[in-house]
Amino acid sequence: DVKVTQSSRYLVKRTGEKVFLECVQDMDHENMFWYRQDPGLGLRLIYFSYDVKMKEKGDIPEGYSVSREKKERFSLILESASTNQTSMYLCASSLSQGDSGNTIYFGEGSWLTVV
Amino acid sequence: GDSVTQMEGPVTLSEEAFLTINCTYTATGYPSLFWYVQYPGEGLQLLLKATKADDKGSNKGFEATYRKETTSFHLEKGSVQVSDSAVYFCARGGGFKTIFGAGTRLFVKA
Repeated sequence: DVKVTQSSRYLVKRTGEKVFLECVQDMDHENMFWYRQDPGLGLRLIYFSYDVKMKEKGDIPEGYSVSREKKERFSLILESASTNQTSMYLCASSLSQGDSGNTIYFGEGSWLTVV
Repeated sequence: GDSVTQMEGPVTLSEEAFLTINCTYTATGYPSLFWYVQYPGEGLQLLLKATKADDKGSNKGFEATYRKETTSFHLEKGSVQVSDSAVYFCARGGGFKTIFGAGTRLFVKA
């Protein structure tokens, strides 16, 4: 089974702190994603990556950056956390581009509270 | 742009009731269609999918049929259980960028 592991389930950070959310997948998937989930807004794509060192902006990239130095690892970075970034963050992965039938596999989520 | 629209929740049912959650989509071409489920405190997981028109996806008693004429992929289950309480997301595949519906929360009462 594919496993997507997010390093932290619950985090509390102060406004202005730099925050790292780490994600590792174990199935050699090319694509990796970071989503944000908020009540009433569903899932919103922040960034995705289709290869090592490659990244593309999603729907809401402002205030975030990402890093993919190894195929299995995809990090989300909040350069200066703000209270409106309090949310649930979901990491995901899938097989390569070009096949729209590919299932997306999700981690369990990281609940971030910015105070 | 392309979109996925699903019925608003929450949906509250008694155990053994019939479930339908409506989902319609707009798209260029014929994308794969998915239902994902999110149990409390967890990430999303695939429930079922269909990759072409008239395909029926099924899993755990849930079914959905890809209807290109009505651009729909409604989720159904004949007899729900308390353990089916979760949030259900309809999605259409599009290469890198899968588009999700807003989610429908289901509560099943014993």
